[in-house]
Parts: sequence; structure tokens; C-alpha cells
Amino acid sequence: QVQLVESGGVVVQPGRSLRLSCAASGFTFRAYGMHWVRQAPDKGPEWVAFMSYDGTKKHYADSVKGRFTISRDNSKNILYLQMNSLSAEDTAVYYCAYCSAGSCYYFDFWGQGTLVTVSS
Amino acid sequence: DIQMTQSPSSLSAAVGGRITLTCRASQDISDYLAWYQQKPGKVPKLLIYAASTLQSGVPFRFSGSGFGTNFTLTISSLQPEDVATYYCQECDSVPPFTFGPGTRVDVK
Repeated sequence: QVQLVESGGVVVQPGRSLRLSCAASGFTFRAYGMHWVRQAPDKGPEWVAFMSYDGTKKHYADSVKGRFTISRDNSKNILYLQMNSLSAEDTAVYYCAYCSAGSCYYFDFWGQGTLVTVSS
Repeated sequence: DIQMTQSPSSLSAAVGGRITLTCRASQDISDYLAWYQQKPGKVPKLLIYAASTLQSGVPFRFSGSGFGTNFTLTISSLQPEDVATYYCQECDSVPPFTFGPGTRVDVK
């Protein structure tokens, strides 16, 4: 069955960097575009970033553009999110997610999330 | 960017009651609209995609409708396990794929 397992979330000081990972299994990872979605405490979900199946296309939310970088290693079935210049507004649970139907942008599979807390 | 609004922000209804949640997009998104259910402390769960297509395994008391800018999610017979926050999301091919602010549903 499909499994998405995020890791890397910790408490980090403002201005520091962090890299999140999402280990995928149970589906052909290299065939699907992948997303990061975050959810701040008591807020709704916010789409963060997308990478196409082959890594040639990337898109970012304006709130993270220039600070976050999405990447993937299709040989290891891992999705990454490099987060730089973190601020308190980046505090959230970060989920990786994808749409199993292919070229679609809703999310039928989500990981369990990893919590990033930005605090001094 | 497309903005998504939802109403009401919260509602409470009796078990067995019929409720309708509304989602509006700031511009025409055709039927590129998804609905999610999120229970406290849990991951969002896809209920409906393409505005009206029920995700596999979702009870038939959930239904979606709408096209363009106005959409609704209806629960025909509210159950205690339906207590959750419901989010809509525009899923057109152009990012960002914006979520609405949510509607919190409680049982009286």
C-alpha cells in the first residue's frame, strides 16, 4: 500500500535552515508529481511546492519562493524540501502528498506530517 | 491567484440532519474543486474531487456539486463521526492550489 513518511521536522531558530524528507513506497514514485503542503497550528492547509515526476518542473507558493527548494531522488524514492531563512510564519506540520490519478492537483495520498517549529 | 472562500465558518446540526457547506472561487475554475475532511489531530482526507466525484470508500451521504465559481458539499444525514473541519481546494493546473479557510461541523 502507499506510504509517505516525512521526517526532519524539529525546533529551529529563526534564520536557520532545515531539510525535510519524504520517503515514498507502495507506488511508482518516479511516475508522479509530488507536493509539499503545510498546515500552521489551527489554520487550514497551505500548498507549498510541487515537483514534476522527472524534476523538470517546479512551482512554489509566493510565501516560500526564493527560500524553499523542492527536489527528489527517484533512485531512492525520496522527496525533499530544503527550507532556508526560516521565520515563525513557517511553523507548521509539513506533509508530502500526491494525486494517484496522474496529472491532477488534488491530494488523495498524504503522509502523516512532520512538525517544524521556528522559535528562538 | 485564485482566492477561495467558505461559508459558514462553523455550523452545528442534529444527528440525521442534512447540511450544506458552500465554497466560492474568485474566478472560474470549471470543476477543478476538491473537498477534504479533517478530524482533530488527523491528516486531511479527500472526500470529493472534480466537484462531484466521490472518492472511493467515502460514504454516500457525502455529495458535491457546482461548477465555475460556486460549489457545495452536502451531508445528507449527519453522523457523529462527521464532526470535523471541511476544506475545499481549487485544483486547476495552475499553482498555487489554494485551500479555503474551512467550515467546522459539530453535532448538536
